[in-house]
Amino acid sequence: TQLLEQSPQFLSIQEGENLTVYCNSSSVFSSLQWYRQEPGEGPVLLVTVVTGGEVKKLKRLTFQFGDARKDSSLHITAAQPGDTGLYLCAGSRGKLIFGQGTELSVKP
Amino acid sequence: DAGVIQSPRHEVTEMGQEVTLRCKPISGHNSLFWYRQTMMRGLELLIYFNNNVPIDDSGMPEDRFSAKMPNASFSTLKIQPSEPRDSAVYFCASSLKTGGMYTGELFFGEGSRLTVL
Repeated sequence: TQLLEQSPQFLSIQEGENLTVYCNSSSVFSSLQWYRQEPGEGPVLLVTVVTGGEVKKLKRLTFQFGDARKDSSLHITAAQPGDTGLYLCAGSRGKLIFGQGTELSVKP
Repeated sequence: DAGVIQSPRHEVTEMGQEVTLRCKPISGHNSLFWYRQTMMRGLELLIYFNNNVPIDDSGMPEDRFSAKMPNASFSTLKIQPSEPRDSAVYFCASSLKTGGMYTGELFFGEGSRLTVL
Protein backbone atom coordinates (compact mmCIF):
# COMPACT_ATOMS: atom_id res chain seq x y z
CA THR A 1 0.00 0.00 0.00
CA GLN A 2 1.46 3.31 -1.16
CA LEU A 3 1.01 5.98 1.51
CA LEU A 4 1.87 8.77 -0.92
CA GLU A 5 0.46 8.78 -4.44
CA GLN A 6 2.14 10.97 -7.02
CA SER A 7 0.68 11.97 -10.34
CA PRO A 8 1.43 11.92 -13.10
CA GLN A 9 4.05 9.19 -13.09
CA PHE A 10 5.54 10.37 -16.38
CA LEU A 11 5.47 13.80 -17.98
CA SER A 12 7.07 14.83 -21.26
CA ILE A 13 6.74 18.49 -22.24
CA GLN A 14 8.35 21.14 -24.40
CA GLU A 15 10.63 23.84 -23.07
CA GLY A 16 8.65 26.85 -21.89
CA GLU A 17 5.53 24.96 -20.82
CA ASN A 18 4.13 24.97 -17.30
CA LEU A 19 3.41 21.83 -15.30
CA THR A 20 2.06 20.66 -11.96
CA VAL A 21 2.91 17.49 -10.07
CA TYR A 22 0.61 16.25 -7.34
CA CYS A 23 1.32 14.29 -4.16
CA ASN A 24 -1.71 12.92 -2.31
CA SER A 25 -2.30 10.86 0.80
CA SER A 26 -5.06 9.90 3.18
CA SER A 27 -2.61 10.34 6.05
CA VAL A 28 -1.52 13.50 7.82
CA PHE A 29 2.16 14.32 7.80
CA SER A 30 4.08 16.57 10.17
CA SER A 31 5.99 17.89 7.16
CA LEU A 32 6.45 17.15 3.51
CA GLN A 33 9.59 17.34 1.45
CA TRP A 34 10.26 17.44 -2.28
CA TYR A 35 13.41 15.89 -3.71
CA ARG A 36 14.89 15.79 -7.20
CA GLN A 37 16.93 12.85 -8.43
CA GLU A 38 19.16 12.65 -11.48
CA PRO A 39 20.32 9.37 -13.06
CA GLY A 40 23.10 7.66 -11.11
CA GLU A 41 22.73 9.91 -8.11
CA GLY A 42 20.79 10.03 -4.87
CA PRO A 43 17.82 12.37 -4.34
CA VAL A 44 18.58 15.95 -3.35
CA LEU A 45 16.25 18.06 -1.23
CA LEU A 46 14.46 20.94 -2.94
CA VAL A 47 12.14 22.17 -0.19
CA THR A 48 10.43 21.29 3.09
CA VAL A 49 6.90 22.47 3.88
CA VAL A 50 5.63 22.26 7.43
CA THR A 51 2.52 24.37 7.92
CA GLY A 52 -0.85 23.54 6.36
CA GLY A 53 -1.51 25.93 3.48
CA GLU A 54 2.15 26.91 3.24
CA VAL A 55 3.47 28.07 -0.12
CA LYS A 56 7.18 28.20 -0.91
CA LYS A 57 8.87 29.45 -4.05
CA LEU A 58 12.25 28.42 -5.38
CA LYS A 59 12.91 30.42 -8.54
CA ARG A 60 10.48 28.93 -11.11
CA LEU A 61 9.27 26.21 -8.72
CA THR A 62 6.28 26.75 -6.43
CA PHE A 63 5.47 24.25 -3.69
CA GLN A 64 2.22 24.12 -1.76
CA PHE A 65 1.23 22.08 1.30
CA GLY A 66 -2.47 21.30 1.64
CA ASP A 67 -4.46 22.85 4.46
CA ALA A 68 -4.98 19.45 6.07
CA ARG A 69 -1.30 18.50 5.59
CA LYS A 70 -2.27 15.44 3.54
CA ASP A 71 -1.30 16.61 0.08
CA SER A 72 1.12 18.83 -1.78
CA SER A 73 1.81 20.15 -5.25
CA LEU A 74 4.83 21.26 -7.21
CA HIS A 75 4.33 23.76 -10.02
CA ILE A 76 7.07 24.58 -12.49
CA THR A 77 6.76 27.68 -14.63
CA ALA A 78 8.44 27.88 -18.03
CA ALA A 79 10.15 24.50 -17.75
CA GLN A 80 13.69 24.15 -19.04
CA PRO A 81 15.65 21.06 -20.15
CA GLY A 82 17.67 21.36 -16.93
CA ASP A 83 14.50 20.59 -14.98
CA THR A 84 14.52 17.04 -16.36
CA GLY A 85 14.68 14.45 -13.62
CA LEU A 86 12.73 12.37 -11.13
CA TYR A 87 10.71 14.42 -8.64
CA LEU A 88 9.87 12.72 -5.36
CA CYS A 89 7.61 13.83 -2.56
CA ALA A 90 8.25 12.46 0.91
CA GLY A 91 6.12 12.65 4.03
CA SER A 92 7.53 12.72 7.52
CA ARG A 93 5.96 10.65 10.29
CA GLY A 94 9.04 9.97 12.37
CA LYS A 95 10.47 8.32 9.28
CA LEU A 96 10.44 9.60 5.72
CA ILE A 97 8.09 7.83 3.31
CA PHE A 98 8.52 8.52 -0.40
CA GLY A 99 6.01 8.62 -3.21
CA GLN A 100 6.64 6.69 -6.43
CA GLY A 101 8.02 9.76 -8.16
CA THR A 102 7.24 11.74 -11.30
CA GLU A 103 9.65 11.32 -14.20
CA LEU A 104 9.83 14.69 -15.97
CA SER A 105 11.36 15.15 -19.40
CA VAL A 106 11.65 18.66 -20.82
CA LYS A 107 12.53 18.74 -24.50
CA PRO A 108 14.29 21.75 -26.07
CA ASP B 1 32.78 18.43 3.19
CA ALA B 2 32.37 14.75 2.47
CA GLY B 3 28.84 13.59 1.86
CA VAL B 4 27.42 10.17 2.56
CA ILE B 5 29.81 7.56 1.23
CA GLN B 6 28.59 4.20 0.02
CA SER B 7 30.48 1.17 -1.22
CA PRO B 8 30.57 -0.65 -3.49
CA ARG B 9 28.98 1.48 -6.25
CA HIS B 10 28.24 -1.62 -8.28
CA GLU B 11 28.04 -5.27 -7.31
CA VAL B 12 27.24 -8.24 -9.49
CA THR B 13 26.88 -11.55 -7.72
CA GLU B 14 25.29 -14.93 -8.14
CA MET B 15 22.19 -16.15 -6.42
CA GLY B 16 22.95 -17.57 -2.99
CA GLN B 17 26.00 -15.42 -2.34
CA GLU B 18 26.31 -13.05 0.60
CA VAL B 19 26.27 -9.33 -0.18
CA THR B 20 27.46 -6.60 2.18
CA LEU B 21 26.81 -2.94 1.45
CA ARG B 22 28.57 -0.25 3.43
CA CYS B 23 27.75 3.30 4.39
CA LYS B 24 29.59 6.15 6.09
CA PRO B 25 27.14 8.89 7.11
CA ILE B 26 27.91 12.58 7.34
CA SER B 27 29.83 13.39 10.51
CA GLY B 28 27.53 14.78 13.20
CA HIS B 29 24.34 13.31 11.80
CA ASN B 30 22.38 11.19 14.26
CA SER B 31 19.98 9.34 11.96
CA LEU B 32 20.78 6.84 9.23
CA PHE B 33 18.40 5.33 6.70
CA TRP B 34 18.66 2.44 4.25
CA TYR B 35 16.39 2.64 1.19
CA ARG B 36 15.95 0.37 -1.82
CA GLN B 37 14.91 1.76 -5.20
CA THR B 38 13.39 -0.20 -8.08
CA MET B 39 11.33 0.83 -11.08
CA MET B 40 8.36 -1.15 -9.84
CA ARG B 41 8.29 -0.12 -6.18
CA GLY B 42 10.11 3.21 -6.13
CA LEU B 43 12.11 4.22 -3.06
CA GLU B 44 11.30 1.94 -0.13
CA LEU B 45 12.52 2.47 3.42
CA LEU B 46 14.15 -0.69 4.71
CA ILE B 47 15.37 0.37 8.15
CA TYR B 48 16.46 3.44 10.02
CA PHE B 49 18.68 4.09 13.00
CA ASN B 50 18.66 6.92 15.50
CA ASN B 51 21.84 7.38 17.56
CA ASN B 52 23.06 3.98 16.26
CA VAL B 53 19.95 2.19 17.54
CA PRO B 54 17.56 0.52 15.04
CA ILE B 55 14.20 2.26 15.41
CA ASP B 56 12.08 0.76 12.65
CA ASP B 57 12.97 -2.29 10.58
CA SER B 58 9.45 -3.01 9.36
CA GLY B 59 10.57 -2.42 5.78
CA MET B 60 13.17 -5.17 5.81
CA PRO B 61 11.84 -7.72 3.31
CA GLU B 62 12.68 -10.87 5.22
CA ASP B 63 15.21 -12.57 7.46
CA ARG B 64 17.75 -12.66 4.65
CA PHE B 65 18.27 -8.95 5.22
CA SER B 66 20.09 -7.55 8.23
CA ALA B 67 21.56 -4.16 9.09
CA LYS B 68 23.96 -2.99 11.73
CA MET B 69 25.33 0.30 12.94
CA PRO B 70 28.21 -0.47 15.32
CA ASN B 71 29.15 3.21 15.68
CA ALA B 72 28.11 6.67 14.53
CA SER B 73 30.30 6.59 11.44
CA PHE B 74 29.55 3.21 9.89
CA SER B 75 26.63 1.01 8.90
CA THR B 76 26.23 -2.19 6.89
CA LEU B 77 23.33 -3.81 5.09
CA LYS B 78 23.77 -7.52 4.53
CA ILE B 79 21.81 -9.89 2.32
CA GLN B 80 22.38 -13.60 2.87
CA PRO B 81 21.59 -15.50 0.74
CA SER B 82 20.95 -13.11 -2.12
CA GLU B 83 18.23 -13.72 -4.73
CA PRO B 84 17.61 -12.20 -8.19
CA ARG B 85 14.61 -10.25 -6.86
CA ASP B 86 17.02 -8.36 -4.56
CA SER B 87 18.47 -6.60 -7.61
CA ALA B 88 18.00 -2.87 -7.03
CA VAL B 89 19.83 0.31 -6.13
CA TYR B 90 20.37 0.54 -2.39
CA PHE B 91 20.70 4.03 -0.92
CA CYS B 92 22.02 5.09 2.42
CA ALA B 93 21.02 8.50 3.76
CA SER B 94 21.77 10.43 6.93
CA SER B 95 20.16 13.37 8.67
CA LEU B 96 20.30 15.48 11.80
CA LYS B 97 17.05 14.71 13.58
CA THR B 98 16.20 17.39 16.09
CA GLY B 99 13.23 15.70 17.71
CA GLY B 100 9.57 14.99 17.21
CA MET B 101 8.23 13.58 13.99
CA TYR B 102 10.41 15.69 11.69
CA THR B 103 13.24 13.67 10.16
CA GLY B 104 15.26 16.61 8.93
CA GLU B 105 16.81 16.91 5.48
CA LEU B 106 18.05 13.58 4.21
CA PHE B 107 21.46 13.54 2.52
CA PHE B 108 21.78 10.56 0.22
CA GLY B 109 24.81 8.67 -0.96
CA GLU B 110 25.24 7.83 -4.63
CA GLY B 111 23.82 4.37 -4.11
CA SER B 112 25.01 0.78 -4.56
CA ARG B 113 23.64 -0.90 -7.65
CA LEU B 114 23.19 -4.61 -6.93
CA THR B 115 22.62 -7.22 -9.61
CA VAL B 116 21.97 -10.78 -8.51
CA LEU B 117 22.20 -13.29 -11.35
